[in-house]
Amino acid sequence: GQQLNQSPQSMFIQEGEDVSMNCTSSSIFNTWLWYKQEPGEGPVLLIALYKAGELTSNGRLTAQFGITRKDSFLNISASIPSDVGIYFCAGRNANAGKSTFGDGTTLTVKP
Amino acid sequence: EAGVVQSPRYKIIEKKQPVAFWCNPISGHNTLYWYLQNLGQGPELLIRYENEEAVDDSQLPKDRFSAERLKGVDSTLKIQPAELGDSAVYLCASSLDSGRMDEQFFGPGTRLTVL
Repeated sequence: GQQLNQSPQSMFIQEGEDVSMNCTSSSIFNTWLWYKQEPGEGPVLLIALYKAGELTSNGRLTAQFGITRKDSFLNISASIPSDVGIYFCAGRNANAGKSTFGDGTTLTVKP
Repeated sequence: EAGVVQSPRYKIIEKKQPVAFWCNPISGHNTLYWYLQNLGQGPELLIRYENEEAVDDSQLPKDRFSAERLKGVDSTLKIQPAELGDSAVYLCASSLDSGRMDEQFFGPGTRLTVL
């Protein structure tokens, strides 16, 4: 089946630094999604991407849908302590009834 | 407006015991999803309901797992009997309909520990 590889697996950064993480797939997707999950909660959708090459921002977060349709990137600028959590990418095809999730990137921000 | 409600939040049982999880989706959401999330991994879909109909249960281990959404609102996921490997977080999510699948709202999950 389709598998997503997220990297890095974890990140430890200083408050104020920028963060980059990515997600790659062995097959193409028509939709890329980025979620954040905090301890004891379910994932929350951050950004949805629907077109190859698309660049979308949500506050300090920016995500891109890779041209090859096999990858996506998430950047966080000027990180703050509340950015701590696990960031998941997910890919979905148009006719698929479900999204395939990566295994997440755990972000720790030191004040 | 209340989000997706799940109960219990935590459950500890011994292996071979039965267990049930309950989910109440956001009011008006026709599509309901149950996911399994193992430690250090992303969620994996177990079953998707459109109203009361299970439209995708291909990933549900039917020998021990069952689910129902009798009136098309709240839903119950059951495991009988539970095995050690079932220890995980069980997430419920809902969306207005399957056309808005990307706009799923997740509940906080039930953390199951099987001893």
